[in-house]
Amino acid sequence: DVKVTQSSRYLVKRTGEKVFLECVQDMDHENMFWYRQDPGLGLRLIYFSYDVKMKEKGDIPEGYSVSREKKERFSLILESASTNQTSMYLCASSLPPGQGGGYTFGSGTRLTVV
Amino acid sequence: AQSVTQLGSHVSVSEGALVLLRCNYSSSVPPYLFWYVQYPNQGLQLLLKYTSAATLVKGINGFEAEFKKSETSFHLTKPSAHMSDAAEYFCAVRNAGGTSYGKLTFGQGTILTVHP
Repeated sequence: DVKVTQSSRYLVKRTGEKVFLECVQDMDHENMFWYRQDPGLGLRLIYFSYDVKMKEKGDIPEGYSVSREKKERFSLILESASTNQTSMYLCASSLPPGQGGGYTFGSGTRLTVV
Repeated sequence: AQSVTQLGSHVSVSEGALVLLRCNYSSSVPPYLFWYVQYPNQGLQLLLKYTSAATLVKGINGFEAEFKKSETSFHLTKPSAHMSDAAEYFCAVRNAGGTSYGKLTFGQGTILTVHP
């Protein structure tokens, strides 16, 4: 069974900490994505990557960065965590759109910044 | 730019009743369309997808959706609701070209409640 694995289901961090959220996929997908999900706001795209060492900003990149050193791993970094970054974070991967695929999502990481 | 509108943030049905969740999209190029389901504290699971083949798409758990280009709609239906269908449902659009290449844009979600 194909998988997208997020390293933590629940995480509590302090304001100002540097936070790493890890995502690994075993499907050899080129495309990987990070979303955050908040009540009433739906899913919002933070960053995405179409290839190793490639990254593009999504709709809400401020306060975040990403790293993709290997094809299977896409990390989201909160440079200095703030309370407004408390959210559910979802990682996804996919084949290119021309191959007709949707996204495969991980189980999510619920991050609380205190 | 592409966008998705889900009509109704909350839908409530009785067990055994028809489920209808509405989705309209806008896209400058022929789209791929998806429905996802999310159970509490879990990620999103693909229910079904439209990728320009048959306009009536069947998915998992008895759900289906019909692509209607003239109405720019992709409504999700299930003939008979089950208690286990209670969840949040997301419609999404993905373009194979244009400035939104590859990105999946989601609707705001519809929470489905099923009453005994």
